[in-house]
Amino acid sequence: KNEVEQSPQNLTAQEGEFITINCSYSVGISALHWLQQHPGGGIVSLFMLSSGKKKHGRLIATINIQEKHSSLHITASHPRDSAVYICAVISNFGNEKLTFGTGTRLTIIP
Amino acid sequence: NAGVMQNPRHLVRRRGQEARLRCSPMKGHSHVYWYRQLPEEGLKFMVYLQKENIIDESGMPKERFSAEFPKEGPSILRIQQVVRGDSAAYFCASSRQGETAFFGQGTRLTVV
Repeated sequence: KNEVEQSPQNLTAQEGEFITINCSYSVGISALHWLQQHPGGGIVSLFMLSSGKKKHGRLIATINIQEKHSSLHITASHPRDSAVYICAVISNFGNEKLTFGTGTRLTIIP
Repeated sequence: NAGVMQNPRHLVRRRGQEARLRCSPMKGHSHVYWYRQLPEEGLKFMVYLQKENIIDESGMPKERFSAEFPKEGPSILRIQQVVRGDSAAYFCASSRQGETAFFGQGTRLTVV
């Protein structure tokens, strides 16, 4: 079993829909990242969080440390949001290497 | 302040050749991480370096792979005697202690 599990693996939605991507992890963590990867492109860090909730534009990330669960929400989704979204955790204090989920491929249809 | 710079973006090598991948971290960042993304697979940690030190290389294959982050200049990931299975995207990330990591655009290595 992977230390970091994401669901769904693939998600297709209509433009404007509210999107939720989930991430569960099985280890103690110091922080969790949400990353975005476009096809053939680089990786962008969207959020790093260790508690509560963060918001940036139409993106919202939440984390529940007790339940070892995080969600990424996209409001008013747009075709340009189509990408792979990756959850990654830092499990050791002092060693900030990331352990990644397998990603969620999001496709927004106009 | 330029982001994390990786070069080359694309690298083609014949089997048995050496591949050198470079990563210049963001200004002020002393932590560098290398990750590999095999085709149709997720990202996997390879190595974590600070200036002149390898902190964690638990994700590095035992043979043919090495990494360095010298006092001056970029971090280098070196793959000797490449094989087809080394074909992948290699990403570098840098950070300050306890802060979010920034990723480079990656180097896509193709072994022919």
